[in-house]
Amino acid sequence: DVKVTQSSRYLVKRTGEKVFLECVQDMDHENMFWYRQDPGLGLRLIYFSYDVKMKEKGDIPEGYSVSREKKERFSLILESASTNQTSMYLCATRQGGRTNEKLFFGSGTQLSVL
Amino acid sequence: DAKTTQPTSMDCAEGRAANLPCNHSTISGNEYVYWYRQIHSQGPQYIIHGLKNNETNEMASLIITEDRKSSTLILPHATLRDTAVYYCIVSSLDYKLSFGAGTTVTVRA
Repeated sequence: DVKVTQSSRYLVKRTGEKVFLECVQDMDHENMFWYRQDPGLGLRLIYFSYDVKMKEKGDIPEGYSVSREKKERFSLILESASTNQTSMYLCATRQGGRTNEKLFFGSGTQLSVL
Repeated sequence: DAKTTQPTSMDCAEGRAANLPCNHSTISGNEYVYWYRQIHSQGPQYIIHGLKNNETNEMASLIITEDRKSSTLILPHATLRDTAVYYCIVSSLDYKLSFGAGTTVTVRA
């Protein structure tokens, strides 16, 4: 089974802090994604990466950046956290290629910015 | 990506079939229909996907209308563990998947 591990289940940070959310996968998947989930809004794509060192903006990239130095790890960075970034953050992976778009999700990180 | 429309919520009796509708009237020829679900406090889980033919796996069946403008996910024998938010997503092969608000399904004993 694919395992997608997010470093923290719950995180509390202060406004203005730099925040790192880590995601690690163990199945050598090429594609990795970061979403945020808010009540009534469903999941919204922040950034995604097709391969190592490659990244593309999703639907709501403002206030976020990402890093993918190794294939198994995809980091989401909040340079200066704000209260409107309080949310559930979900990482996902996908094999890549044209034949399989099945996403595997981590359990999520509930981030509170005070 | 084509947009999808799903009911906000629906109830289902345990042991009965649950039929979840999804409208995607602007779907284009190369776009697939995907279904995921999210059980409380967990990440979403893939259920099934299809292009134009009906599909079945161990979790569910997917019925896509001939004009592809709508589809129905069928959970054949709903259990309490099927209580979740169900997402219908339309996407082409090489495009990112965007999740909407989904349908909250409550299975009642």
